[in-house]
Amino acid sequence: DTGVSQDPRHKITKRGQNVTFRCDPISEHNRLYWYRQTLGQGPEFLTYFQNEAQLEKSRLLSDRFSAERPKGSFSTLEIQRTEQGDSAMYLCASSYPQTSGGRTDTQYFGPGTRLTVL
Amino acid sequence: RKEVEQDPGPFNVPEGATVAFNCTYSNSASQSFFWYRQDCRKEPKLLMSVYSSGNEDGRFTAQLNRASQYISLLIRDSKLSDSATYLCVVNTGTASKLTFGTGTRLQVTL
Repeated sequence: DTGVSQDPRHKITKRGQNVTFRCDPISEHNRLYWYRQTLGQGPEFLTYFQNEAQLEKSRLLSDRFSAERPKGSFSTLEIQRTEQGDSAMYLCASSYPQTSGGRTDTQYFGPGTRLTVL
Repeated sequence: RKEVEQDPGPFNVPEGATVAFNCTYSNSASQSFFWYRQDCRKEPKLLMSVYSSGNEDGRFTAQLNRASQYISLLIRDSKLSDSATYLCVVNTGTASKLTFGTGTRLQVTL
């Protein structure tokens, strides 16, 4: 399977614990995105990497959230001191730059990590 | 006001019907427009990009009205397998965040 993969697929944790999610993008995709989706809502942008550089962060990404992409390949998203409001699906997407027409890359999404904070 | 607004539905239609979804966006600088499909508890998948001239892919037709900041999706001859949530998506740059609507849920019945 050469699609975007995420691990774990499900995570249940107690409030106050730290959690870390991993995303492996499609091979050779140099752009990687994290989104969060809560029930009944569309995905909301969290952050974006081009290679190893984190180029954009949403104000949704509080101090308790940190994302890394150390070698420009896989990425991790860590949430410290989890709160019940962090319960959501965390989606990762990757893309490759379009070379013509100035069009937006197509973002391919992984299956997501469903986080439940008790 | 939300950046991308959609009627959440649900739209319940019989098989074979034609159904249309609408979406409005608030940022006039938006450059790219998409419809994504999301099945229950699955990831979003690109259905089609939306171009100013309008575009068609089989039973699906998408249109964009930049002046009114309005996007539409028409599904003809609905199939049971079309049942899903359809997400209207805009982007303001070539490599940046996607802004999603809340999605419109479609249920096609026998």
